[in-house]
Amino acid sequence: AQRVTQPEKLLSVFKGAPVELKCNYSYSGSPELFWYVQYSRQRLQLLLRHISRESIKGFTADLNKGETSFHLKKPFAQEEDSAMYYCALRNYGQNFVFGPGTRLSVLP
Amino acid sequence: KAGVTQTPRYLIKTRGQQVTLSCSPISGHRSVSWYQQTPGQGLQFLFEYFSETQRNKGNFPGRFSGRQFSNSRSEMNVSTLELGDSALYLCASSLLASVTDTQYFGPGTRLTVL
Repeated sequence: AQRVTQPEKLLSVFKGAPVELKCNYSYSGSPELFWYVQYSRQRLQLLLRHISRESIKGFTADLNKGETSFHLKKPFAQEEDSAMYYCALRNYGQNFVFGPGTRLSVLP
Repeated sequence: KAGVTQTPRYLIKTRGQQVTLSCSPISGHRSVSWYQQTPGQGLQFLFEYFSETQRNKGNFPGRFSGRQFSNSRSEMNVSTLELGDSALYLCASSLLASVTDTQYFGPGTRLTVL
């Protein structure tokens, strides 16, 4: 069965500090992985996806198949990064599975 | 382009009643997915429709059903409501149903079951 875990419910960092939001998944195949973000009073939206190898708003995520992880990183956190972050996976022909989410709080 | 819209935004029902929620996808999008979001269980996949056909279904009882119309608008129905059905129901649309497609989420319908 597909499963996504995000070990931290809440992560607090100071502005300018590096941030890493952890995501681990369990799936025997090669799923596609995504990070979604929900800012206060806004809709859930895609932040980035593994297949695009992109950097959005300074965030990057590297897929480590050996460790089955897809951690989200940013070298210098900004206050506007404070939000709820969800890691998700999907494999061909199957549905999305979301992790429980991590609330990131960037302190001034 | 207008975003995904969901109606109604808020709903209060009592146990045993049934409810129908509506989702209008972004123009041109043919895939619609539904999710239930609760504080305890997080975001859970309900079902996905593409071109009026259900493609995937999550692990929910048969009381939860859905459909998609030829204009890609979708509805989901919950019959015999239980207190545990209180949740935020999110709809998401994408152009196709490809695994790499970006899903665009609606604002959700907040259902409260008393």
